[in-house]
Amino acid sequence: QQQVKQSPQSLIVQKGGISIINCAYENTAFDYFPWYQQFPGKGPALLIAIRPDVSEKKEGRFTISFNKSAKQFSLHIMDSQPGDSATYFCAASFPYGTNAGKSTFGDGTTLTVKP
Amino acid sequence: DGGITQSPKYLFRKEGQNVTLSCEQNLNHDAMYWYRQDPGQGLRLIYYSQIVNDFQKGDIAEGYSVSREKKESFPLTVTSAQKNPTAFYLCASRSRGGLTGELFFGEGSRLTVL
Repeated sequence: QQQVKQSPQSLIVQKGGISIINCAYENTAFDYFPWYQQFPGKGPALLIAIRPDVSEKKEGRFTISFNKSAKQFSLHIMDSQPGDSATYFCAASFPYGTNAGKSTFGDGTTLTVKP
Repeated sequence: DGGITQSPKYLFRKEGQNVTLSCEQNLNHDAMYWYRQDPGQGLRLIYYSQIVNDFQKGDIAEGYSVSREKKESFPLTVTSAQKNPTAFYLCASRSRGGLTGELFFGEGSRLTVL
């Protein structure tokens, strides 16, 4: 049972364009929704994260939109740059309690930004 | 610099051999995790430890073993019982006292079974 579904699997955008990656989750007990960025041969690193009590969070060119009723959240990358080319993972986790830190990940989206 | 160090970065193993992947952190984090990453798939949890001398199975623990004798160290042994061990293995840590669920990852170990 996949608790976090991510789409698309791959995405190609032109430099300066908007990249949009979507995720849907099933377990309403999740309380923390991060996006991780991973470059080839490296470990993932936190890009941006959101809690379900807000509908949007923006950090520079990166924005998370969160729809609690639809159990969906998305990552928007504005003015996409070739340096943004990487694999992006959405995740969902429980920050507290016995399952704290156990993150469930989407399958990842490989983003290619063409110059 | 604080962080997570995984070694070796690349490892080749013959079938039937056990191998141990090292994970060391100097972030003073209580919780540590091992994830497996396969092409086109997300990260899947193998084992995790919330505190020293305690660890729990994740979603794909069969064929793996861990120990947590020190706060800084969480080694993973890939045993010969693991049917498809070729993969990229990621170690992560998290502060239990933190207000977020952020995981800090190492750079990974790529295991290839010949």
